[in-house]
Amino acid sequence: GQQVMQIPQYQHVQEGEDFTTYCNSSTTLSNIQWYKQRPGGHPVFLIQLVKSGEVKKQKRLTFQFGEAKKNSSLHITATQTTDVGTYFCAGPRGGGSEKLVFGKGTKLTVNP
Amino acid sequence: DGGITQSPKYLFRKEGQNVTLSCEQNLNHDAMYWYRQDPGQGLRLIYYSQIVNDFQKGDIAEGYSVSREKKESFPLTVTSAQKNPTAFYLCASSTVLSSGNTIYFGEGSWLTVV
Repeated sequence: GQQVMQIPQYQHVQEGEDFTTYCNSSTTLSNIQWYKQRPGGHPVFLIQLVKSGEVKKQKRLTFQFGEAKKNSSLHITATQTTDVGTYFCAGPRGGGSEKLVFGKGTKLTVNP
Repeated sequence: DGGITQSPKYLFRKEGQNVTLSCEQNLNHDAMYWYRQDPGQGLRLIYYSQIVNDFQKGDIAEGYSVSREKKESFPLTVTSAQKNPTAFYLCASSTVLSSGNTIYFGEGSWLTVV
């Protein structure tokens, strides 16, 4: 079945350093979504990418969707302690868009 | 105040007992979902429903049951057949769009079976 792989599983950075998490799908995706889960919280939708090669920015966060629509990345510039949490990518399961397949997430910790 | 309400937030049960987790949404979303989250496992889909009175099994449906009698409600029952039920359970909802469904999650329910 379709798989969505995320790396790294864990990332620890010093405050001010950059951070990147990568997402790879075994199949072509019609779109990819990113979610953030704060410690002890629930996942919250960040963004959706639809077009091949699409790049979107939200302040210090930059999201990219690969040309082949099989991979994506989230880059955070100059991390802050408020960026702590687990970042998940998710893509529609094959055959329909009503179900999402989630990656296992990248847990980011930031040392102040 | 719109959103998804899960209850209870924390629940302790003895092994062998059935447990029902409540999920209510007032977002007028057609689709609702139940996910299970274990450390290092990400989010795994238990059941989902796109319309009232219809639901489909997800990846780990064994030992769970659901109902969708109302659009707003999608309760999950964790039965005694579930071998390892201790986990964080997340209910979610979304509209059904051809361009992809953005999922909105509830705050989750922690279930501990002793």
